[in-house]
Amino acid sequence: KAGVTQTPRYLIKTRGQQVTLSCSPISGHRSVSWYQQTPGQGLQFLFEYFSETQRNKGNFPGRFSGRQFSNSRSEMNVSTLELGDSALYLCASTPGASGTGIKETQYFGPGTRLLVL
Amino acid sequence: AQSVTQLGSHVSVSEGALVLLRCNYSSSVPPYLFWYVQYPNQGLQLLLKYTSAATLVKGINGFEAEFKKSETSFHLTKPSAHMSDAAEYFCAVTPVSGSARQLTFGSGTQLTVLP
Repeated sequence: KAGVTQTPRYLIKTRGQQVTLSCSPISGHRSVSWYQQTPGQGLQFLFEYFSETQRNKGNFPGRFSGRQFSNSRSEMNVSTLELGDSALYLCASTPGASGTGIKETQYFGPGTRLLVL
Repeated sequence: AQSVTQLGSHVSVSEGALVLLRCNYSSSVPPYLFWYVQYPNQGLQLLLKYTSAATLVKGINGFEAEFKKSETSFHLTKPSAHMSDAAEYFCAVTPVSGSARQLTFGSGTQLTVLP
C-alpha cells in the first residue's frame, strides 16, 4: 500500500505570494491533518479534514486554509506569504471514521519544505 | 490546554547504552500520549501510544514507555541503543476533546548515538 505522498517536496516563494501544497492520503483513509514544523515553534496542528469538511482547526491566521476533495486528497493554501511561514509542512492520514481516532494510527508524509524569501 | 514538556533538547548515548528520553504532560485528566520519531528528511513515525489500557507500553524497534500518573510522566526508554536510533523524538498529547488527529507536540529531543 502506498504511503502518504506530498507534493511538491520543496518550494521557494517570495513574500506576498501565495502557495498551494498537496497531500494524497493512504488509499482508504478519509481524514487528513496538516501540521507546520519550524525550529522556533516546533510542530503545530493546522487543521483536519474528513469527508471534505474541516473537522478541527488549530490556532493559525486566516491566511492558512485548506480543502479536501471527494477522493480524500487535500490541499492547503497560504496566502500573502510571510518570512515566518518558512517551514516543513506535514500531512498525516487516518481512516478517520472512529470518534477520537485513538485506535487509529496517524501516518505522516515526508513533508513539503517551504522557503519564503 | 494540554501540553507536554520534553526535558533535554539533545541527548547523547553510547551504542549499547540505555536510552532515556523524558516527557512530562500537564493535565488534570490523564490524556492519550504518543511518542513519534523523525529521521532526517522524513515524516514522523509512530513508536507507541498510551491509551489507558496499560501503563507500560511497548512499541516498535525495542522502545517502551511507562505512564506514571503520580509523576505526570511518559518517559521513553530502550535498553540498548543502536546507531540506527539516531533521530529526533517527539512526545505528543491529545487535546481535551481527545482527538488523536489533533496532536500537541513537545519540542523534540535529538538523540545522538556514539560508536
